[in-house]
Amino acid sequence: DIQMTQSPSSLSASVGDRVTITCRASQGISNSLAWYQQKPGKAPKLLIYGASTLESGVPSRFSGSGSGTDYTLTISSLQPEDFATYYCQQFYSMATFGQGTKVEI
Amino acid sequence: QVQLVESGGGVVQPGRSLRLSCATSGFIFSSHGMHWVRQAPGKGLEWVAIIWYDGTKKYYADSVKGRFTISRDNSKNTLYLQMSSLRAEDTAMYYCARDSAGDWFFDFWGQGTLVTVSS
Repeated sequence: DIQMTQSPSSLSASVGDRVTITCRASQGISNSLAWYQQKPGKAPKLLIYGASTLESGVPSRFSGSGSGTDYTLTISSLQPEDFATYYCQQFYSMATFGQGTKVEI
Repeated sequence: QVQLVESGGGVVQPGRSLRLSCATSGFIFSSHGMHWVRQAPGKGLEWVAIIWYDGTKKYYADSVKGRFTISRDNSKNTLYLQMSSLRAEDTAMYYCARDSAGDWFFDFWGQGTLVTVSS
């Protein structure tokens, strides 16, 4: 099974900050990576798939990058509505999620 | 618009069974694989099961294999999860999610239904 390790598990940031979340796979996953945003009491929302393709309707301040085993989600200028928990997910071999990163004030 | 609406959750005793449903609309259900994903209270996301668009293939997480069965009725645009031999560790919010073009990531999610396994 492929394990996904996200870091940090939580971070404090302010509106306007640039935020970076990383995700490391236990083996290469060939860009088969998605990122989700989840707000309290709500279902997750797809942000990015294929490591860097922005889902339709997602603001361009979100971007994804990486290759091999290491991937990054970047929020270029944090907005009030971006405070949430973010999860990576590999789909190279079945599906595995990272443990989540909570972005808070 | 795409809608996924789960139902069937509740409180159930350990060892008992429960069936979840996910009613869908707004897309061609019979053209998409479908998943169940769960989230224990205060914890992260865990993939549970997938069923192919035509029901011919099914895969399960090791944690539920042999106890849970995923199925679908394409005539009713509905996905199911039959859960048996339930354990306390199965307590979670259960989400149904649409597979994006056979790639095993999830482009639409339902709002979830809560299953609590407790005596």
